Amino acid sequence: LAKTTQPISMDSYEGQEVNITCSHNNIATNDYITWYQQFPSQGPRFIIQGYKTKVTNEVASLFIPADRKSSTLSLPRVSLSDTAVYYCLVGGNQAGTALIFGKGTTLSVSS
Amino acid sequence: EAGVAQSPRYKIIEKRQSVAFWCNPISGHATLYWYQQILGQGPKLLIQFQNNGVVDDSQLPKDRFSAERLKGVDSTLKIQPAKLEDSAVYLCASIPGTGRYEQYFGPGTRLTVT
Repeated sequence: LAKTTQPISMDSYEGQEVNITCSHNNIATNDYITWYQQFPSQGPRFIIQGYKTKVTNEVASLFIPADRKSSTLSLPRVSLSDTAVYYCLVGGNQAGTALIFGKGTTLSVSS
Repeated sequence: EAGVAQSPRYKIIEKRQSVAFWCNPISGHATLYWYQQILGQGPKLLIQFQNNGVVDDSQLPKDRFSAERLKGVDSTLKIQPAKLEDSAVYLCASIPGTGRYEQYFGPGTRLTVT
């Protein structure tokens, strides 16, 4: 299973765009990249998933370069409520595939 | 749709006692996961079920942890006997399958072993 490396923490201000990069050098051909958000005392919440190029939903964008050895989660115009831990995971997209969570990136948004 | 349900939300026990956690996944989700999350760390997979069968339990400390999903719906995770290092949040998650594999997590059970 591919391991991931993310910054331990990031700071931002309200209204700014935040980009969190994740390295996954040994990603396998059939691995997808998934990002989760976790608030204190809650379970992780799915944000976005992608395989290559760019994926966008109502919450975030995910940029994946051609070599897929890294990915960047982009949060547009963050607010205080985006303060959370963000996890990058890589793994097969089959039901029988487990995913490994790293320590995640703690994003702190200030006013 | 209703989310993943877990109970209890909090539990305090003494070491060497036993404890059980319950999870009811989202209706129709065939795959269920149990994770252990120690404070400051990411969730660690303990066991994965596909319907009522175990897919992966390689990281489950089988000398003290057990889990079952008898009818392929709700699941129970048990610890017997508990150790101090078992203090953690125990998370249950399920996935839709059928082309969608994002995990839906429950609120977790916070276990404190004294």
